[in-house]
Amino acid sequence: GQNIDQPTEMTATEGAIVQINCTYQTSGFNGLFWYQQHAGEAPTFLSYNVLDGLEEKGRFSSFLSRSKGYSYLLLKELQMKDSASYLCAVRVEDSNYQLIWGAGTKLIIKP
Amino acid sequence: NAGVTQTPKFRILKIGQSMTLQCTQDMNHNYMYWYRQDPGMGLKLIYYSVGAGITDKGEVPNGYNVSRSTTEDFPLRLELAAPSQTSVYFCASSRTENYGYTFGSGTRLTVV
Repeated sequence: GQNIDQPTEMTATEGAIVQINCTYQTSGFNGLFWYQQHAGEAPTFLSYNVLDGLEEKGRFSSFLSRSKGYSYLLLKELQMKDSASYLCAVRVEDSNYQLIWGAGTKLIIKP
Repeated sequence: NAGVTQTPKFRILKIGQSMTLQCTQDMNHNYMYWYRQDPGMGLKLIYYSVGAGITDKGEVPNGYNVSRSTTEDFPLRLELAAPSQTSVYFCASSRTENYGYTFGSGTRLTVV
C-alpha cells in the first residue's frame, strides 16, 4: 500500500528554525512536493524534489533522501504568517499522474 | 491573472439533490484535477484530465462525474448527493504532471 507519514502538529517560536519531516512508503517514487495551506484556504506550492539533496528557496529549504524514503521541510527565521499546515505529497511511478498526499502538519508559531 | 476560479464557495445540498461545481483556469494548463479534503485526511483525487476531451478516474470517483470540453473548464458533477460527500472540494491545474499545482479557493459543501 501507499503511506505517507507526517507529524500532526508542531509548535515553534517566532524567529526560530523548524524542521517538518515526511516519510513515505510507496510503490515506486517519481518526485515529492511540499505545499503550504493556511486555515480555510487553498494549498500553495512550495517545492518539488526528485533527486537526493537539499533545495533552497529563501527561508524555506526541502531535503530528499530516496534511499530512506524521507524528506523534510526546513523553515528559517519563522514569522507569524508561517502558521499553517504543511502538506507532503509523493508521485508514485505507476500512479498515472496521481499524487499520494500526507494528512499535513499543522505548524503553530508563538511570539 | 485570475489563475484557477471555483464557484460556488459554499453550498448546502439536501440528500438526493444534484449540483455542478465549476472550475475555470486561464493559464492554458493541460492538466486539471478535482480533489476533496476531509479533516485529518490527505487530499483525495476524484477525477483528473490531461487535456480537452480526456478525463480519467482518480482514487475516489464514485458519485461524481466530470467533463472537459475546453482547456479552460473542468466542471465536477455530483449526482444524488449523500452525507458522505460533505467535504471541501478543490480544483487544481498544472502545466505538466511534474509542475506544482495551482489550486482554486475551494468549495465547502455540506449535504444534509
